[in-house]
Amino acid sequence: GAGVSQSPSNKVTEKGKDVELRCDPISGHTALYWYRQSLGQGLEFLIYFQGNSAPDKSGLPSDRFSAERTGGSVSTLTIQRTQQEDSAVYLCASSWTSDHNEQFFGPGTRLTVL
Amino acid sequence: DQQVKQNSPSLSVQEGRISILNCDYTNSMFDYFLWYKKYPAEGPTFLISISSIKDKNEDGRFTVFLNKSAKHLSLHIVPSQPGDSAVYFCAVNSGTYKYIFGTGTRLKVLA
Repeated sequence: GAGVSQSPSNKVTEKGKDVELRCDPISGHTALYWYRQSLGQGLEFLIYFQGNSAPDKSGLPSDRFSAERTGGSVSTLTIQRTQQEDSAVYLCASSWTSDHNEQFFGPGTRLTVL
Repeated sequence: DQQVKQNSPSLSVQEGRISILNCDYTNSMFDYFLWYKKYPAEGPTFLISISSIKDKNEDGRFTVFLNKSAKHLSLHIVPSQPGDSAVYFCAVNSGTYKYIFGTGTRLKVLA
């Protein structure tokens, strides 16, 4: 079956530009997470969606970051006015529910801000 | 303030020997623990988990040990194989939807 997919796999952008990263979770998974992994760091929680509930945005590092999940499925992470410190691998994960459930990760989008 | 620490950024082990990866956490309220494996250019994949009511969980060559009093988690791989070479992340959960990941340990199994 299809796993979690993310696009693009690589994105190079200039400082100050906006970028959109896309995540297609596994069909039927109600929970969706975005993480960021900077060089030499662990996975940093960014945002969490569960069904139709209000998302937990507590991990977003600044108001330049936003995310949507349309129809309880596809999610888009948008970074406005990108900065060099935004360079990282952005990972999306989904799971059946949220409590004590293994998360299935996509391959990530490697973002490079020049 | 790191709540989950993997103090060894890298580990090299000979093929056939045991690999031991360690993870320390700070909050005794954490009650579910997982290990993920990550190959280059791929997302992490779930490996094995353990709940706080147990102190050991085994799955084939992989065994996770939990020492609650020491707030310490370890993953044993025996025998180690070259295909086990990857980055291993521990993750903890406190009964909510938030998982906290360690920084990872890069395991290299030498043939």
